[in-house]
Amino acid sequence: NAGVMQNPRHLVRRRGQEARLRCSPMKGHSHVYWYRQLPEEGLKFMVYLQKENIIDESGMPKERFSAEFPKEGPSILRIQQVVRGDSAAYFCASSPQGLEVYEQYFGPGTRLTVT
Amino acid sequence: DQQVKQNSPSLSVQEGRISILNCDYTNSMFDYFLWYKKYPAEGPTFLISISSIKDKNEDGRFTVFLNKSAKHLSLHIVPSQPGDSAVYFCALTSGTYKYIFGTGTRLKVLA
Repeated sequence: NAGVMQNPRHLVRRRGQEARLRCSPMKGHSHVYWYRQLPEEGLKFMVYLQKENIIDESGMPKERFSAEFPKEGPSILRIQQVVRGDSAAYFCASSPQGLEVYEQYFGPGTRLTVT
Repeated sequence: DQQVKQNSPSLSVQEGRISILNCDYTNSMFDYFLWYKKYPAEGPTFLISISSIKDKNEDGRFTVFLNKSAKHLSLHIVPSQPGDSAVYFCALTSGTYKYIFGTGTRLKVLA
């Protein structure tokens, strides 16, 4: 399966712990996007990355959230000191090109639950 | 401030009939429009798209209509099949990678 991979699929963290979400884009895709879906809401753009570069992080909360896409390995979305309000589904998408409009292909998501 | 609205949270349709899903937006800067389908425990899957220079795009059983003056987008599925039961999201963009998603409509196709 050459689709977008995300792991873990489910993650439970206690308040104050760190959450690390991983995303491997589709083969041949070098552009990665992270979205968050809160209950009863649509997906909200968080950040757009290319290899080793953050292109647009305008949707990321200013504190506790960070993202990276290293030269080797998956993209990582990191949430430090999680709070209950961080409980959501986090989706990663990838595309073969960026900046302009291309269909984005989504992974299955990571459902984060903060207890 | 919600720029994109899908006012029907759910819709039930009999198998073989037409399903019509609607999406309204407020920002006239949007110029590319997409529909995604989402099954439980899966990510959204791209379905069909349309650019602002068109008012209709068809792909098999799926047709998307765009009414720019009314700022209204709709997805028609005909004939509807039980496998179409899913949550449908419209996604809009003003020519960039930054999609603005609607809240989704849960479609249930009854056999």
